[in-house]
Amino acid sequence: EAGVAQSPRYKIIEKRQSVAFWCNPISGHATLYWYQQILGQGPKLLIQFQNNGVVDDSQLPKDRFSAERLKGVDSTLKIQPAKLEDSAVYLCASSLSGRNEKLFFGSGTQLSVL
Amino acid sequence: QKEVEQNSGPLSVPEGAIASLNCTYSDRGSQSFFWYRQYSGKSPELIMSIYSNGDKEDGRFTAQLNKASQYVSLLIRDSQPSDSATYLCAGWEGNYQLIWGAGTKLIIKP
Repeated sequence: EAGVAQSPRYKIIEKRQSVAFWCNPISGHATLYWYQQILGQGPKLLIQFQNNGVVDDSQLPKDRFSAERLKGVDSTLKIQPAKLEDSAVYLCASSLSGRNEKLFFGSGTQLSVL
Repeated sequence: QKEVEQNSGPLSVPEGAIASLNCTYSDRGSQSFFWYRQYSGKSPELIMSIYSNGDKEDGRFTAQLNKASQYVSLLIRDSQPSDSATYLCAGWEGNYQLIWGAGTKLIIKP
């Protein structure tokens, strides 16, 4: 079974530039999550999709972050414009239905904002 | 604010000994819990899941859940240097939100 695919693996940008991350979940998984993980901290949920609908985006900085999951499969997360404090690892995860289930993570994107 | 708390460590354990990692949670309604292992520069990998009170064993790993005391623990027997990593505890709040601890860094000394 193929795992969660994420790209790119690394990205370096300057502040005020824009960046986009892509994620393709495990086939058949209805729930897709985007997390931000800062070094030394646990993952912080940015947005959770159930199929192509948003379940939770309460911690997404909507003035600069946006995410979509068209057709309920793959997803993109965009930051525009980036700030220095956005430097982190962005993790995509998926689960079968999102209720009391384990999550499977992609390899993550390490973002450095200079 | 629902929380999952872990000691950040580092927890240093000699090779071959038992490593004991603990996690407490605030939401009495939480039903399911997970332990993830995260190597430096890698993404979290599921080690154990536990849904009911008591112990669950899988190879060298044992997860323990005590809902009355609201804690979850992970025991690693015969610790190996390859077990050195950060261990993240997570618990579901209700049906929709997974709450994460900050992780405990474990170091196994040869």
